[in-house]
Amino acid sequence: KAGVTQTPRYLIKTRGQQVTLSCSPISGHRSVSWYQQTPGQGLQFLFEYFSETQRNKGNFPGRFSGRQFSNSRSEMNVSTLELGDSALYLCASSAVTGMGFSSYEQYFGPGTRLTVT
Amino acid sequence: ILNVEQSPQSLHVQEGDSTNFTCSFPSSNFYALHWYRWETAKSPEALFVMTLNGDEKKKGRISATLNTKEGYSYLYIKGSQPEDSATYLCAFIKGAQKLVFGQGTRLTINP
Repeated sequence: KAGVTQTPRYLIKTRGQQVTLSCSPISGHRSVSWYQQTPGQGLQFLFEYFSETQRNKGNFPGRFSGRQFSNSRSEMNVSTLELGDSALYLCASSAVTGMGFSSYEQYFGPGTRLTVT
Repeated sequence: ILNVEQSPQSLHVQEGDSTNFTCSFPSSNFYALHWYRWETAKSPEALFVMTLNGDEKKKGRISATLNTKEGYSYLYIKGSQPEDSATYLCAFIKGAQKLVFGQGTRLTINP
């Protein structure tokens, strides 16, 4: 099975712009989660989608949004970029079939490195 | 404990030695605890998902234990090898769908 893929891998944007990142989960996985990794904060949960519905959201401002398509592919959008948004953005998929994913391991993609100047 | 805490933050171990580190998490409303290994320039890779108090899991030279009543998990590596060098992350499940990660333990194996 192909792993989780993310595009683009690297991105440079200017403050104030917006950006869209894409994630394709492992075939058959319906849950996709997004994480932000910064040196100071570690890996932080952004949100999780399951069957096109956002089920949970982390403590991030409304500038961070996402969506999931019927084929389980997911996109994350950040509007009005700030310097502090520079980070590695990881998405992960899991094989959860129902309400919770606590028992299911996450399969991570390679990440998108976003630099905001 | 309100969040996930891992100790130590970094560790240098001689090749062949065994080592262990700790993940502490809130003991109330426990759902599951995940361990991941994150090697430089790679994606985090799942090691274990632990759900029951007293759980012990093993994968090769790596094993983990779980104590949900007191809120901690230990990860053990027996006979460390250079390829074990990585950051080891634990993640506590907060609510049904939300993983809260610790800051990780950065392990370096000295040949």
